[in-house]
Amino acid sequence: DARVTQTPRDKVTEMGQEVTMRCQPILGHNTVFWYRQTMMQGLELLAYFRNRAPLDDSGMPKDRFSAEMPDATLATLKIQPSEPRDSAVYFCASGLTLGPGAWNTEAFFGQGTRLTVV
Amino acid sequence: GENVEQHPSTLSVQEGDSAVIKCTYSDSASNYFPWYKQELGKRPQLIIDIRSNVGEKKDQRIAVTLNKTAKHFSLHITETQPEDSAVYFCAASMASGGGADGLTFGKGTHLIIQP
Repeated sequence: DARVTQTPRDKVTEMGQEVTMRCQPILGHNTVFWYRQTMMQGLELLAYFRNRAPLDDSGMPKDRFSAEMPDATLATLKIQPSEPRDSAVYFCASGLTLGPGAWNTEAFFGQGTRLTVV
Repeated sequence: GENVEQHPSTLSVQEGDSAVIKCTYSDSASNYFPWYKQELGKRPQLIIDIRSNVGEKKDQRIAVTLNKTAKHFSLHITETQPEDSAVYFCAASMASGGGADGLTFGKGTHLIIQP
């Protein structure tokens, strides 16, 4: 049963600390998304990659957030320094894009990382 | 950018009755409209999706309709059951030359099935 794997599942950290969240997309998927979920804002797209290249990170606060894909099996989302307003559930999702003009594919979500910044 | 509005925010129906959730989108270029179900503390999971070349799609008790002219789409659940209780999200996306873009989600509908 192929799944998107996220670590850690839960993270509590103090304000000002660096936080790194990791995601292992489904093997063979070439598109990776980072979403943030809060009660107030719902599900927001932060950034996404295709074939490891960043395509859109306009939803991400640039001064403290960074997203990378060191290789095809690992995506990371880093917050430095963290603030209480960053408390949320962060979801990674992956999908397969077949080529120019191809239909969108389903995005499979990981279990999420629940981040609490105190 | 795309903006997706979803209504209602909470919907309570009697078990066995039908439930309808409605969404509107702003970008006429959007061509992919999935619906996700999220149970408490779990990940969002796709339950049905529709592409802009069709007006309706059905899968057992769930169906989705799309009106491209009016830029709205709806989720219909018939013969509701207790396990249908969850938060449902609609979303919209556009396939660019390189493939899928990220999804823009509605704010969600908390569906409550009353026994």
